[in-house]
Amino acid sequence: DSGVTQTPKHLITATGQRVTLRCSPRSEDLSVYWYQQSLDQGLQFLIHYYNGEERAKGNILERFSAQQFPDLHSELNLSSLELGDSALYFCASSATSGSYEQFFGPGTRLTVL
Amino acid sequence: EDQVTQSPEALRLQEGESSSLNCSYTVSGLRGLFWYRQDPGKGPEFLFTLYSAGEEKEKERLKATLTKKESFLHITAPKPEDSATYLCAVPGFGNEKLTFGTGTRLTIIP
Repeated sequence: DSGVTQTPKHLITATGQRVTLRCSPRSEDLSVYWYQQSLDQGLQFLIHYYNGEERAKGNILERFSAQQFPDLHSELNLSSLELGDSALYFCASSATSGSYEQFFGPGTRLTVL
Repeated sequence: EDQVTQSPEALRLQEGESSSLNCSYTVSGLRGLFWYRQDPGKGPEFLFTLYSAGEEKEKERLKATLTKKESFLHITAPKPEDSATYLCAVPGFGNEKLTFGTGTRLTIIP
């Protein structure tokens, strides 16, 4: 158990809908990262938040947005969903300083029908 | 831009048959190289961090090594429970993100 939690575990929805994925980092970790994993793309970095502020963006679509709240949990919002958005979405957290290891949550499996 | 390439894509071994997985990388400045294990439908599980060429880390039947251009994950006398996808990754500048390889899917046959 990495200490990172994600909800829900599974999400099934229809095209055009909007969903919210939630992540709680390990205790005292200020950094939260979101990754997408689909069969043909591998693990792709989406976005990084540090203590409530956006630090870096990767291949994140404009239909997707994220935020990190004062209690450090984070939410990833996906809107106008398309079939191709079906994937596993992982969040990870890392320590404030020192080593760069990221610890991953169990993921949310999103299925868009 | 950082790049990570893993080979082979898939590897099937008999139980007890040792082998190595390769991870080659191109980075502007090495800030570490990470190995993860991922079971189907689960989140990547952290295994090792290597920081400098010549460094080695061991955990049970796994040993990770690092050179200036690549890393190897050696698996000795594997068991069926070692079956998983093994991923390597490098952190970006300022720990902004991880760049992952596509992984090696390892299957150990009893």
